[in-house]
Amino acid sequence: EDQVTQSPEALRLQEGESSSLNCSYTVSGLRGLFWYRQDPGKGPEFLFTLYSAGEEKEKERLKATLTKKESFLHITAPKPEDSATYLCAVQAGPSYNTDKLIFGTGTRLQVFP
Amino acid sequence: ETGVTQSPTHLIKTRGQQVTLRCSSQSGHNTVSWYQQALGQGPQFIFQYYREEENGRGNFPPRFSGLQFPNYSSELNVNALELDDSALYLCASSLWGKDTQYFGPGTRLTVL
Repeated sequence: EDQVTQSPEALRLQEGESSSLNCSYTVSGLRGLFWYRQDPGKGPEFLFTLYSAGEEKEKERLKATLTKKESFLHITAPKPEDSATYLCAVQAGPSYNTDKLIFGTGTRLQVFP
Repeated sequence: ETGVTQSPTHLIKTRGQQVTLRCSSQSGHNTVSWYQQALGQGPQFIFQYYREEENGRGNFPPRFSGLQFPNYSSELNVNALELDDSALYLCASSLWGKDTQYFGPGTRLTVL
């Protein structure tokens, strides 16, 4: 069964303290891995898509990387406004199949000044 | 470019009632997916619509049904509401053949 596991469940950082969030997955035929940011009570906001092992994407203080079994979201010198829940999701199976996303439960990040 | 919109924002219903949630897809997108997100959990896939037909369904009972209209907007209908249906319902739109899905702000459903 396709599965996505995120760790840690929650992370508290001091402003400027860099860290990484982990997303491990077991799927048949990965088509893409996605990172989203979600603020409380809001819909997920798209951050990155990664397709193959070794791929990296960057946006401001965030950098996402992908291996054959996991993805990392690195946060460099975070600011309080980076506080949110970060969701990882995968798409798997043949491209003619549904494009459903399989989500992990998220990492709740709090950055304190 | 208009993003994904959903209505209503909040909704309170009682057990056994029926509810309809609405979604307008992002400009240029032709595929709509619906997800249910319980508190503290990741979104769970309900179903997807493309060309006005259901294209894939998650592990949800038949009382969850949907529609897609010619303008690519969509509805999610839930009959015989249960307490466990209380959740944030998310709509996401995409372009068929392109992987990235863009989410709306969600509808918070509370079942009493």
